[in-house]
Amino acid sequence: GDQVEQSPSALSLHEGTGSALRCNFTTTMRAVQWFRKNSRGSLINLFYLASGTKENGRLKSAFDSKERYSTLHIRDAQLEDSGTYFCAADSGYNKLTFGKGTVLLVSP
Amino acid sequence: GPKVLQIPSHQIIDMGQMVTLNCDPVSNHLYFYWYKQILGQQMEFLVNFYNGKVMEKSKLFKDQFSVERPDGSYFTLKIQPTALEDSAVYFCASSHRGGAEQFFGPGTRLTVL
Repeated sequence: GDQVEQSPSALSLHEGTGSALRCNFTTTMRAVQWFRKNSRGSLINLFYLASGTKENGRLKSAFDSKERYSTLHIRDAQLEDSGTYFCAADSGYNKLTFGKGTVLLVSP
Repeated sequence: GPKVLQIPSHQIIDMGQMVTLNCDPVSNHLYFYWYKQILGQQMEFLVNFYNGKVMEKSKLFKDQFSVERPDGSYFTLKIQPTALEDSAVYFCASSHRGGAEQFFGPGTRLTVL
């Protein structure tokens, strides 16, 4: 079965609000990455975490290897945040397993 | 941020032909990867490559697939011969070391007719 379960699959936010995306792992992961796919289909790196939390502007991510999950929090959402977000985790064999993605739509 | 380039962006070929996908990884990176994404499906790992060797490959990495990086030039994925089910977007990635953050190229969309 899937090693990375990402939720929700779709999310609608009004400008200025926030929410969280989550990835649950069925096995222990060594590290997690979060990406946003831009309009050209390229993956933009948001975060790489081997543990703990990181923050960058209005985005914050956390990774708990023991509890087998990672989260991506978005606050004060802006229209340009709309897009598809992916988590991907490394189980220790130098290969990423991707979640199915979250389609985020931010509306005025 | 660090940029990975892929050439070409699109490739259309007839089934049975050979195709080579090219990747220009981040300059000081030592680990290289290929991933495959079929339309509507998740991105999936194909292979990783370090020090001139395949380190790990998935079941998607068929016998018809090969990778190499001759003399520090492009990191390539060759498919010979191609099959209809090889139609997908192929993403190259690189990292400075094993287990480190991976940076992805924009993908090559391969269509096998």
